[in-house]
Amino acid sequence: NAGVTQTPKFQVLKTGQSMTLQCAQDMNHNSMYWYRQDPGMGLRLIYYSASEGTTDKGEVPNGYNVSRLNKREFSLRLESAAPSQTSVYFCASSVLSGGWETQYFGPGTRLLVL
Amino acid sequence: AQSVTQLGSHVSVSEGALVLLRCNYSSSVPPYLFWYVQYPNQGLQLLLKYTTGATLVKGINGFEAEFKKSETSFHLTKPSAHMSDAAEYFCAVSDGNAGNMLTFGGGTRLMVKP
Repeated sequence: NAGVTQTPKFQVLKTGQSMTLQCAQDMNHNSMYWYRQDPGMGLRLIYYSASEGTTDKGEVPNGYNVSRLNKREFSLRLESAAPSQTSVYFCASSVLSGGWETQYFGPGTRLLVL
Repeated sequence: AQSVTQLGSHVSVSEGALVLLRCNYSSSVPPYLFWYVQYPNQGLQLLLKYTTGATLVKGINGFEAEFKKSETSFHLTKPSAHMSDAAEYFCAVSDGNAGNMLTFGGGTRLMVKP
């Protein structure tokens, strides 16, 4: 049971390049999330998917797209990377436990946009 | 709208001393409150959560937090710090709406001196 996995671990992009961050979970969770983490700002929600086939915007969706490929996988795409998207990106999935959903996080992807 | 304020972006304690990390929240509905810990180069791990019931919540690694509605606070404490507690700690709030979206505070980095 690997939990939540993310690839790649590190990436350097040039401004204008595109890339897809991959996330997969093997815990059979329905809900999945993408966050970005910036110093002093905690984590901010980019997009989430409450179930397979559905996605919704979070707090900071501009410049990103997502795909819920199946129940296990939730990818985040940067179509034209900008330096402002330099950040650490975390994927999470959640399960109903004790009457409330608890989120489990992956190890993160560190992205540098030059 | 919800928000979370963590007082002190950096807290330093001596090994064996009391750990107190402060968290205040605002929420228009009864909140669900969480503390997460992030060790270097890792994802977030759930320490503890308050949803309903007892206001003093015990978590992993000897941490606990008390929900005080009158003070809109959910401070994290541990009686005796260990070197292994050095990490970044995040307080988060959810109002239970669709998607179980969490709003995070800016984080507090805990340093433990020998």
